[in-house]
Amino acid sequence: GAVVSQHPSWVICKSGTSVKIECRSLDFQATTMFWYRQFPKQSLMLMATSNEGSKATYEQGVEKDKFLINHASLTLSTLTVTSAHPEDSSFYICSALGWSGPSGANVLTFGAGSRLTVL
Amino acid sequence: AQTVTQSQPEMSVQEAETVTLSCTYDTSESNYYLFWYKQPPSRQMILVIRQEAYKQQNATENRFSVNFQKAAKSFSLKISDSQLGDTAMYFCAFRNAGNMLTFGGGTRLMVKP
Repeated sequence: GAVVSQHPSWVICKSGTSVKIECRSLDFQATTMFWYRQFPKQSLMLMATSNEGSKATYEQGVEKDKFLINHASLTLSTLTVTSAHPEDSSFYICSALGWSGPSGANVLTFGAGSRLTVL
Repeated sequence: AQTVTQSQPEMSVQEAETVTLSCTYDTSESNYYLFWYKQPPSRQMILVIRQEAYKQQNATENRFSVNFQKAAKSFSLKISDSQLGDTAMYFCAFRNAGNMLTFGGGTRLMVKP
């Protein structure tokens, strides 16, 4: 089945540094990838949608310069949290949309998430 | 824009019993999909069941079934023969033609032995 690998699963960094999170579709080509943010005991909030080879579309209220998204290939999207601060600490989840399997089913698969802790 | 509402923040059920989680949504679109996702303590999102809006028949996956009432914009999840491993957060989600997912606020389900 369709598998999405998200790395790192947990990262701790100092305030002011930048952190990159990778999202890879392992056995299918992801035409679109989505990035979500989840605070403790809350639901997933869509941050941005990225299509391969084009600029990401950000949801209202999400800072483009703070959360840089790159989708350079059909199997990789990255989220870079720039100049991270403690309020950026959260759980970030990616999902990938693509065609998978012999039947060519359109699948939407989630990564396992990345916990970011900014000290 | 779509909205998804889960009115039960927390629920509990005895092992082997049946529980129903509620979900309502609001949309002006006619072509869409509805999902229930499970998020256990590991926080990995796991697809439980999906329903295409154009299908009248309610989806079923083993112990999981839905009651899809399109006119009422209701999409409840029934879990039969509850197991301890069903303990998790459950999210109802709406997916539009543009493939964007909108999640409800979630229901925390506790299965008690």
